[in-house]
Amino acid sequence: GENVEQHPSTLSVQEGDSAVIKCTYSDSASNYFPWYKQELGKRPQLIIDIRSNVGEKKDQRIAVTLNKTAKHFSLHITETQPEDSAVYFCAARSNDYKLSFGAGTTVTVRA
Amino acid sequence: GAGVSQSPSNKVTEKGKDVELRCDPISGHTALYWYRQRLGQGLEFLIYFQGNSAPDKSGLPSDRFSAERTGESVSTLTIQRTQQEDSAVYLCASSTRRAYEQYFGPGTRLTVT
Repeated sequence: GENVEQHPSTLSVQEGDSAVIKCTYSDSASNYFPWYKQELGKRPQLIIDIRSNVGEKKDQRIAVTLNKTAKHFSLHITETQPEDSAVYFCAARSNDYKLSFGAGTTVTVRA
Repeated sequence: GAGVSQSPSNKVTEKGKDVELRCDPISGHTALYWYRQRLGQGLEFLIYFQGNSAPDKSGLPSDRFSAERTGESVSTLTIQRTQQEDSAVYLCASSTRRAYEQYFGPGTRLTVT
């Protein structure tokens, strides 16, 4: 099955700086890569996703890049704000429905 | 509209007891997923339902775990003879048949003492 690895496990950044989280996947057939944000005690919420026919996607301060050859994808958050503090999960979808999740990155934005 | 709901929000049970967790998906969502999230860890796939098709149970960790869903409505996840290692947050998600996005419920925090 699909195996997703996520790094780093924790990330502390100064407010206004950028944050980058990287994930690798094992199944070359994976075709959909979402990123979820989970605030403490709350449900995961989709913040951005990318499909395998696209190399990059941006939504305001958030961007995701995908390198299919290397089987890795990354989340970039620019101009970080305190409300960006949360746990971020990457995931990969290798068949019609099953998502395999990374272990998560705890992001702390220091004011 | 209403999102995915789960009940109870918290459940404390004694080791060896059975528990039943409930998930109400978004109306019209034919796909339903159960995940387990241990403290500080990622989401672990448990089971997937799609309409009236046979469910994918490949993620269930043992035969103490089972789940049911009637048609495209409510699902229940049952854990028999609970063990301390079953302590986790159990998350339910739903999606439309062709959509990629999964919408998560708030989860049930299960504590086995």
